[in-house]
Amino acid sequence: AQTVTQSQPEMSVQEAETVTLSCTYDTSENNYYLFWYKQPPSRQMILVIRQEAYKQQNATENRFSVNFQKAAKSFSLKISDSQLGDTAMYFCAFMKQHTGNQFYFGTGTSLTVIP
Amino acid sequence: EAGVAQSPRYKIIEKRQSVAFWCNPISGHATLYWYQQILGQGPKLLIQFQNNGVVDDSQLPKDRFSAERLKGVDSTLKIQPAKLEDSAVYLCASSLASGSWGTGELFFGEGSRLTVL
Repeated sequence: AQTVTQSQPEMSVQEAETVTLSCTYDTSENNYYLFWYKQPPSRQMILVIRQEAYKQQNATENRFSVNFQKAAKSFSLKISDSQLGDTAMYFCAFMKQHTGNQFYFGTGTSLTVIP
Repeated sequence: EAGVAQSPRYKIIEKRQSVAFWCNPISGHATLYWYQQILGQGPKLLIQFQNNGVVDDSQLPKDRFSAERLKGVDSTLKIQPAKLEDSAVYLCASSLASGSWGTGELFFGEGSRLTVL
């Protein structure tokens, strides 16, 4: 079975600073995707960034980047130049590439950006 | 492009009553998911459909939960009878991906918040 672990239930960061959210996962699969999803308070969950396991290059999306360490099964999210709108729950997710594209989510990290 | 639609947004019921949630995925999305998100936890998959067939319902409490996706489009999740521990947000998500090599991005609805008293 696949498991996704987020060991930081809560984090805070000063506006304009950089913060890193941690995620580890456990799988015996070789082909998979990893995701970070953002869930703002009382709003729907949206995709922040995606990483294909077969790609060695770390994904970046504007102020968001990941550090993907396949051997260590680690997938951290770095948010640069933090903004107040980044305040949200962040979920790390694993997708097994199977006939059904099954997703597994971590328990989330609540990030607060302090003005 | 219209997003994933869910209703109702909020529902309060007494324990042992029944409730139904509706989801209309993004047009053309073959895969539909129902997740249960208890406060402070990550989403837990209840059931996954590929078109109108069930891919995974291993974590669906089948003695009280049921779901269907007739015609491979919209879907209904029902709870009967409800228990206190069913209080949660029920998230519907859809994905364009089908088969093994899709990109897999999930698009979520706003969720249906259930309170069982």
